[in-house]
Amino acid sequence: GNSVTQMEGPVTLSEEAFLTINCTYTATGYPSLFWYVQYPGEGLQLLLKATKADDKGSNKGFEATYRKETTSFHLEKGSVQVSDSAVYFCALSDLSGTYKYIFGTGTRLKVLA
Amino acid sequence: ETGVTQTPRHLVMGMTNKKSLKCEQHLGHNAMYWYKQSAKKPLELMFVYNFKEQTENNSVPSRFSPECPNSSHLFLHLHTLQPEDSALYLCASSQGDSTRTGELFFGEGSRLTVL
Repeated sequence: GNSVTQMEGPVTLSEEAFLTINCTYTATGYPSLFWYVQYPGEGLQLLLKATKADDKGSNKGFEATYRKETTSFHLEKGSVQVSDSAVYFCALSDLSGTYKYIFGTGTRLKVLA
Repeated sequence: ETGVTQTPRHLVMGMTNKKSLKCEQHLGHNAMYWYKQSAKKPLELMFVYNFKEQTENNSVPSRFSPECPNSSHLFLHLHTLQPEDSALYLCASSQGDSTRTGELFFGEGSRLTVL
């Protein structure tokens, strides 16, 4: 079946450091891929998405590229801020009969001033 | 109002109580979802509805009973819950088209505590 694997957290970085959160997936066909962010006490918000191979999603300085050959969708940011501290979820759209979305376990990011 | 709205935001109930969670979406979507988020566990899909029809029940115990009267409203009726059911319950909606390129839009969640 379809699945998403994310790196374990927490990830702790100093402000202005480079961020990478790894995400790999297993899926049949060509799903769309997503990164969501969850701030404390809130629901999940879409951060970025990519709908086909080699697409790059970007938003608020975050980027991720849909790599079909490595089945990956790693999240990157060149310079993190304290306000980026949150939990990040990688997800894919399931192309089977029901309208399911499969999520990774989430990676907590802590950015220290 | 815009987006996906969930009420109540916080709920405390005893194991013998009956309560309901409500979700409303103002995005014109046709698919709606309930997810459960517990501490230190992955996000769990509970139910999916598409055009008011249930398309997914992820082996959820019968003490959770969903209701989808129309494409804009989704309820989760709760009855004789257990303390381990305490969690954040997230509602979401999507366009539900066959291309699967659209994203999920989440509400802010209902924090449930079962005593």
